[in-house]
Amino acid sequence: EVQLVESGGGLVQPGGSLRLSCAASGLTVSSNYMSWVRQAPGKGLEWVSVIYSGGSAYYADSVKGRFTISRDNSKNTVYLQMNSLRAEDTAVYYCARDQASAGTGNWFDPWGQGTLVTVSS
Amino acid sequence: DIQLTQSPSFLSASVGDRVTITCRASQGISSDLAWYQQKPGKAPKLLIYAASTLQSGVPSRFSGSGSGTEFTLTISSLQPEDFATYYCQQFREFGQGTKVEIK
Repeated sequence: EVQLVESGGGLVQPGGSLRLSCAASGLTVSSNYMSWVRQAPGKGLEWVSVIYSGGSAYYADSVKGRFTISRDNSKNTVYLQMNSLRAEDTAVYYCARDQASAGTGNWFDPWGQGTLVTVSS
Repeated sequence: DIQLTQSPSFLSASVGDRVTITCRASQGISSDLAWYQQKPGKAPKLLIYAASTLQSGVPSRFSGSGSGTEFTLTISSLQPEDFATYYCQQFREFGQGTKVEIK
């Protein structure tokens, strides 16, 4: 069974930093595209970042320059380093496998259970 | 960037009803669209990808159709466990969601 488990969320002050982890089982993160998607309280889904199997990384404009995605192949884990956090970064952060297929687009499956990040003083 | 607009944003329906949710793209996206179901406090769950392909394990009462700029998610006979919020997605964009509530 493929499973993704996020951790690392919590309460942080504006301007602070946090690192989220996404531990995978049943899939190899280095062989897959892995994304982070967030959801602010009561709001919709917002894609945040992706790391491709080749190592390339991409970010939403809202987090570019502040967030960094990475992975540790030995731990089969993906990370999201979040710096210069703002109140508007408050959200549940999900990691998900980003499945792409030529000619049919991409989709996110499976998803982890999410980890809550609260940015507040 | 492509924008996705779902309609309606909210719908009230009864068990057994046929429900249709629409997702419109701001430009043509071929069949590159997925649909998700999300229940309160839970992660989204993939229902359909490539516009009309049912994800393994998803009940056959769910179906998707469309191509280009207009897509639909249909639930043929709404069940109690289907009351949730539904999202469409293309590449890195999500629709704003459609909340399906009990009438």
